[in-house]
Amino acid sequence: DVKVTQSSRYLVKRTGEKVFLECVQDMDHENMFWYRQDPGLGLRLIYFSYDVKMKEKGDIPEGYSVSREKKERFSLILESASTNQTSMYLCASSITGASAYEQYFGPGTRLTVT
Amino acid sequence: GDSVTQMEGPVTLSEEAFLTINCTYTATGYPSLFWYVQYPGEGLQLLLKATKADDKGSNKGFEATYRKETTSFHLEKGSVQVSDSAVYFCALPPSASGSRLTFGEGTQLTVNP
Repeated sequence: DVKVTQSSRYLVKRTGEKVFLECVQDMDHENMFWYRQDPGLGLRLIYFSYDVKMKEKGDIPEGYSVSREKKERFSLILESASTNQTSMYLCASSITGASAYEQYFGPGTRLTVT
Repeated sequence: GDSVTQMEGPVTLSEEAFLTINCTYTATGYPSLFWYVQYPGEGLQLLLKATKADDKGSNKGFEATYRKETTSFHLEKGSVQVSDSAVYFCALPPSASGSRLTFGEGTQLTVNP
């Protein structure tokens, strides 16, 4: 079974802190994604990566950055956390090719910024 | 641009009721279509998919038929169970190349015993 794990299920941080969210997948997938999920807004893509050290902005990249130094790991960084970044963050991965659109998700990290 | 519109929720049903969650899309050509499900406390997982027009995807008693005439991919189940309580997302890939998906807003389903 494909497994996508996220470093924390729940996280509480203070405004202005630098926050790291880690995601690891064990299926050698090329593509990795970071989404945030908010009530009434569904899933919104923050960043994605299609290869090591490669990244592309999604729909809402402002206030976030990412790092992919190894194929299995994709990190989301909040440089200076703000209260409007309180949300559920979901990581996903997929292969490249005919089944590229089937994404495998982690359980999510619920981040609260106070 | 590509977009997905889902019926507004939340939806509350009694056990064994019939379920329909509407999904319509706007896209160039005939993309594959997906339904994902998110159970409480979990990430999303693929529920079913259809790769071409008139295809029917099915899984766990759920079905959805790809209808190009109405650009729709409605999710149906004949008899829901309490364990079907979850959030359901319709999704489509980009018209151009790429690996990202466009998700609908999600529909919260609650099934009461």
